[in-house]
Amino acid sequence: DIQMTQSPSTLSASVGDRVTITCRASQSISSWLAWYQQKPGKAPKILIYKASSLESGVPSRFSGSGSGTEFTLTISSLQPDDFATYYCQQYKNYFTFGPGTKVEI
Amino acid sequence: QVTLRESGPALVKPTQTLTLTCNFSGFSLSTSGMCVSWIRQPPGKALEWLARIDWDDDKYYSTSLETRLTISKDTSKNQVVLTMTNMDPVDTATYFCARTPYISGSYRFDYWGQGALVTVSS
Repeated sequence: DIQMTQSPSTLSASVGDRVTITCRASQSISSWLAWYQQKPGKAPKILIYKASSLESGVPSRFSGSGSGTEFTLTISSLQPDDFATYYCQQYKNYFTFGPGTKVEI
Repeated sequence: QVTLRESGPALVKPTQTLTLTCNFSGFSLSTSGMCVSWIRQPPGKALEWLARIDWDDDKYYSTSLETRLTISKDTSKNQVVLTMTNMDPVDTATYFCARTPYISGSYRFDYWGQGALVTVSS
């Protein structure tokens, strides 16, 4: 099975900050990676797929990069609505989610 | 408009079998490339993928849970059903279903249900 890790597990930031979250896979997954945002009590929402493709309707301040085993999600200017938990997910071999990164004030 | 909605018991006893139903609208599971997945999330913990069923009735399961899971679909009713046997308190979680289209070699979980909280307790 492919294992996913994320760092940091918690990130404290302010509105307007540039935020970067890292996701690593235990083996190469090419670009088969997605990012999701989840708020308390809600279902996750897809942000990025195929490592860097922005889902329709998602603000352009979100971007993804990477390939192979290391990936990043960047929020260029953090907005109040962005305080949430972010998960990466590989889909090269079935599906595995990372442990999540909580972005807090 | 795509919607999905999970339903099932809120409380099950240990050793019982859980049956969850995902009712969806706005897409057809008979369309080539269309899939539906189940995902769960224990309270305060991360997401865990459980199973996927494809438009051609292919089925895929989490390797750690595959002996306990069965996924099926009723295309005419726009339903996907997940059963999980031998429930244990560690299976307490919110269970989500999600549309999982396969487009240009890529999957994504683009629409989700609101989730169904299942508590396992005697």
